[in-house]
Amino acid sequence: DTGVSQDPRHKITKRGQNVTFRCDPISEHNRLYWYRQTLGQGPEFLTYFQNEAQLEKSRLLSDRFSAERPKGSFSTLEIQRTEQGDSAMYLCASSHSHTEAFFGQGTRLTVV
Amino acid sequence: QKEVEQNSGPLSVPEGAIASLNCTYSDRVSQSFFWYRQYSGKSPELIMSIYSNGDKEDGRFTAQLNKASQYVSLLIRDSQPSDSATYLCAVNGWNGGSQGNLIFGKGTKLSVKP
Repeated sequence: DTGVSQDPRHKITKRGQNVTFRCDPISEHNRLYWYRQTLGQGPEFLTYFQNEAQLEKSRLLSDRFSAERPKGSFSTLEIQRTEQGDSAMYLCASSHSHTEAFFGQGTRLTVV
Repeated sequence: QKEVEQNSGPLSVPEGAIASLNCTYSDRVSQSFFWYRQYSGKSPELIMSIYSNGDKEDGRFTAQLNKASQYVSLLIRDSQPSDSATYLCAVNGWNGGSQGNLIFGKGTKLSVKP
């Protein structure tokens, strides 16, 4: 499978716990994006990487959120001290520079 | 604040009709424009990209771009019930001299009635 892969697909966690999501992009893509989407809204940009460099972060990305792409391949998104407002679909996408971006299936987070 | 605006709908068209979806964007230097289709509970799926003014056709889909008016549209000909979904417009922002993140509109919900 050469598409974008996200893991896990679903995560239920208790408020206050930390969670980590993984994204494996399409292998030749140098850009990797993280988005968050809630019901009835479009995807909201969180951050993106070009290779291993994190080039832009949204103001939505509070200090509880951190993302890494250490070797320019897979990426992780960690949320510390989760809150109920963090419940959303977390989407990862990859592209070659500014061309078409392709999404993974997403990780649905529920904070109880 | 870079923005992408879409009418949230719902847009309802009969089967076989043309569905017209519209999008405006605020960042004048944007150069890459995309339409995604999203079924309920699924992730967005890329259906069209357009980079220069004019029309681009792919099967039943036509994307139209007018950079002077900062306007992008998507036409779906011979609409089918399977086209019922939310359509997201996305535009590349500009970040320090190069194209940056993708900015999405909130999407237009399309319903095609049999």
